[in-house]
Amino acid sequence: DTAVSQTPKYLVTQMGNDKSIKCEQNLGHDTMYWYKQDSKKFLKIMFSYNNKELIINETVPNRFSPKSPDKAHLNLHINSLELGDSAVYFCASSRYRGGELFFGEGSRLTVL
Amino acid sequence: KNQVEQSPQSLIILEGKNCTLQCNYTVSPFSNLRWYKQDTGRGPVSLTIMTFSENTKSNGRYTATLDADTKQSSLHITASQLSDSASYICVVSGLGQTGANNLFFGTGTRLTVIP
Repeated sequence: DTAVSQTPKYLVTQMGNDKSIKCEQNLGHDTMYWYKQDSKKFLKIMFSYNNKELIINETVPNRFSPKSPDKAHLNLHINSLELGDSAVYFCASSRYRGGELFFGEGSRLTVL
Repeated sequence: KNQVEQSPQSLIILEGKNCTLQCNYTVSPFSNLRWYKQDTGRGPVSLTIMTFSENTKSNGRYTATLDADTKQSSLHITASQLSDSASYICVVSGLGQTGANNLFFGTGTRLTVIP
């Protein structure tokens, strides 16, 4: 009964490849987020969707493209991966924008 | 500029001892403040929420305080256990111009409890 699930948990790939991370929440929340956690453990917002509508789009390279087919899903596609993209990516959801965040377990991306 | 600063950056304590983590913020207008616990390899989990009118709130051995005048919050852990070893992240919610809340994250405090 995982509330926020994201796959894959680990992803190792070569520079230049394209990869996707999927996220699903079964909490009935309206808002979903993607966060990047770097090696210093700082969580930085990348994107936020509210009812499938993009509401936050921080300064993220346009190689990163979120897609929300419905309000329970928010996927992250990354084109032309670079070494600096290596990080842990967390999906999260909240009942409303700015509400309590429920995080997934994280997806550790390693770009070689 | 809206900022959230946490101290100390890291802390090592003996099992059974108490400790206090600090969070100072400049977020305005203020909506609420949450403390999250992030175990290694896991996503953060909310421990407690503090609103403007609340000074103290407890969740088991965790007690959070808020001074909205000085814009400071603390998280006090009593009788620490090995399972308290984690990162503790302070997240402040501020009211945006559209009326929706924006979240501002601290850099976290890494707590290690040793036997």
